[in-house]
Amino acid sequence: GAVVSQHPSRVICKSGTSVKIECRSLDFQATTMFWYRQFPKQSLMLMATSNEGSKATYEQGVEKDKFLINHASLTLSTLTVTSAHPEDSSFYICSATNRGGGSLHFGNGTRLTVT
Amino acid sequence: GENVEQHPSTLSVQEGDSAVIKCTYSDSASNYFPWYKQELGKRPQLIIDIRSNVGEKKDQRIAVTLNKTAKHFSLHITETQPEDSAVYFCAASKGSGAGSYQLTFGKGTKLSVIP
Repeated sequence: GAVVSQHPSRVICKSGTSVKIECRSLDFQATTMFWYRQFPKQSLMLMATSNEGSKATYEQGVEKDKFLINHASLTLSTLTVTSAHPEDSSFYICSATNRGGGSLHFGNGTRLTVT
Repeated sequence: GENVEQHPSTLSVQEGDSAVIKCTYSDSASNYFPWYKQELGKRPQLIIDIRSNVGEKKDQRIAVTLNKTAKHFSLHITETQPEDSAVYFCAASKGSGAGSYQLTFGKGTKLSVIP
C-alpha cells in the first residue's frame, strides 16, 4: 500500500537552531500534504496544508515565518522549524494524499525535543 | 472554523464488552468523518470513516453512525480485545478531493480493554 516516509523520527536540538523534517511519499504522487503537531496526551492540530508548487496555507495561530514549509516536488514536503525554542518540542506528523483526494496516509512522525 | 468535541476522554471496558465513543461537530458543511486509532508514539491509523450521505457503516467489529441533523457521530467497537487498547480520535472535514482531508480532530479517547 501507499507509504509516507517521515525523517528523522527523533531529533534533539539546542534552542535557537533550526530543524528540518522531511516527508516523502514513496509510491504515489502527493499533490497535497498536511503537517500536524501533537503535544503529549493531546490531539493532532493541523498546522498547514501544502500543495505542490504553491505556497502552504497555514492555520490560524501558526507562524509561517517560524514553520517554513516547502513542497517543491510531488513526492517531498519539508517542514523547517526555525529558531526552535523548548515550547516547540512536540510530535510533528505529516500526511499526504494524491490528486483527486485518494486515501490519506500518515508518516510515522518526528519527535522534536528542543533543549 | 470547525470544532469537534469528543467524549469520553478515557474509557475502560472489560474484554468482550462494547465500547462507544461519541463526537459532535459544529460546521454543518462538514461531510467526511474518519476515526483514527493511535498507539503511543505512532502514526494515526484510519480504522473507519463515513461520509455525510451515509448514516451507518460497519466493518467487522467496528461501526460508525452519523446523525447529520444533530451533528454527531459515534464509534462502536463490539467484542473488545486487549489489542483494541489505544487512543481513538474522531475527525471532521468538508470539501472534496484533497481538501476533504483538512481534518479537525477531537481531543481523543484513551480506551483501555481489561483482560
